[in-house]
Amino acid sequence: AQSVTQPDIHITVSEGASLELRCNYSYGATPYLFWYVQSPGQGLQLLLKYFSGDTLVQGIKGFEAEFKRSQSSFNLRKPSVHWSDAAEYFCAVGPMDTGRRALTFGSGTRLQVQP
Amino acid sequence: DSGVTQTPKHLITATGQRVTLRCSPRSEDLSVYWYQQSLDQGLQFLIHYYNGEERAKGNILERFSAQQFPDLHSELNLSSLELGDSALYFCASSVDYRTDTQYFGPGTRLTVL
Repeated sequence: AQSVTQPDIHITVSEGASLELRCNYSYGATPYLFWYVQSPGQGLQLLLKYFSGDTLVQGIKGFEAEFKRSQSSFNLRKPSVHWSDAAEYFCAVGPMDTGRRALTFGSGTRLQVQP
Repeated sequence: DSGVTQTPKHLITATGQRVTLRCSPRSEDLSVYWYQQSLDQGLQFLIHYYNGEERAKGNILERFSAQQFPDLHSELNLSSLELGDSALYFCASSVDYRTDTQYFGPGTRLTVL
């Protein structure tokens, strides 16, 4: 069965500092990979996705993520964090080669931004 | 705004009751997914419909059921509610189940007292 691990439950960074949120997945083949962001009281907004091709993907709000097959990782990065980035971030995996297309989510990383 | 709408936004009810949550997907989307987000279980997949047909079931309780109507909106029915059913219920939609880019609605927060 596929699974997603986000090892950091809570991260605090200073505004303007760089950010990296970790995501590791377990799946037998190449998966679809996603990062979503959830602001307090809000739904999930898609930041970026990886299906195939270039392993460095660009998303909205200045975020990027790199797929590393050898490490089964899909870490999210941002060079300079803004206070409005404070939210919860979810990594998700979706299978490419089965009929079950639902997403499996990690437990999330809550990002706090200090002024 | 993802284009996926969910009603109601909040729902407060008592144990043993039955509620219906509604989801309208984006206009071009045929697939609808339901997820439950709770503090102890995180985000969990419940059920997937594609063009009116059930495609997959996840960790959905027998007390819960769903359907997708000809106009592609979907309803999630929760019955014999228990305190533990209190959660945020999300609907997501995608064009078809092959692309896997799911767009989420704002959710319905269910509180069972």
